[in-house]
Amino acid sequence: AQKITQTQPGMFVQEKEAVTLDCTYDTSDQSYGLFWYKQPSSGEMIFLIYQGSYDEQNATEGRYSLNFQKARKSANLVISASQLGDSAMYFCAMRANFGNEKLTFGTGTRLTIIP
Amino acid sequence: DVKVTQSSRYLVKRTGEKVFLECVQDMDHENMFWYRQDPGLGLRLIYFSYDVKMKEKGDIPEGYSVSREKKERFSLILESASTNQTSMYLCASSSRQGVGLPQHFGDGTRLSIL
Repeated sequence: AQKITQTQPGMFVQEKEAVTLDCTYDTSDQSYGLFWYKQPSSGEMIFLIYQGSYDEQNATEGRYSLNFQKARKSANLVISASQLGDSAMYFCAMRANFGNEKLTFGTGTRLTIIP
Repeated sequence: DVKVTQSSRYLVKRTGEKVFLECVQDMDHENMFWYRQDPGLGLRLIYFSYDVKMKEKGDIPEGYSVSREKKERFSLILESASTNQTSMYLCASSSRQGVGLPQHFGDGTRLSIL
């Protein structure tokens, strides 16, 4: 079974500062993927970034980067130079690369950017 | 561009009614999923489907059923709605054509059962 833990229910960050959202995971699969999604107050889920378990480099997408530490089973999302529009819920999720394709989600972190 | 469309953003129904939530994707994706989202619980998988007429139970299938008669459409059915099914429902789809491809989500349906 897979499990995702997000220990920060809420965070407040000053605009333009960097922010790290924590995610730890547990799985017995050897090959898996980790995903981060953003959910604004309007409700849609927006895919941000993906990290494969065998990827040697940390994934980056614009202002988003994923700090992947496989031995510690952590996959933290880093947002550089935060903006007011970054205020949202953020979900970490994982999926085994073989077998069924379902995602297991964490409980989310609500990020609020303060002007 | 990728598009997953859910039939309603907001829906109010009464206890005991049979409720249909519809989801359509235009990306020719093989996989489709139904989740419910509750505060403090994240997203939990109700049912998913790998192909037309195929379905698999997720983590919380009780009280729900699904139908996938066409590749692009995946319906969630509440057989006899109850107040504990008041929630946000999210549909998603994904391709099986590669590792690391994300699920794409609809805008969600906020369902209230009175």
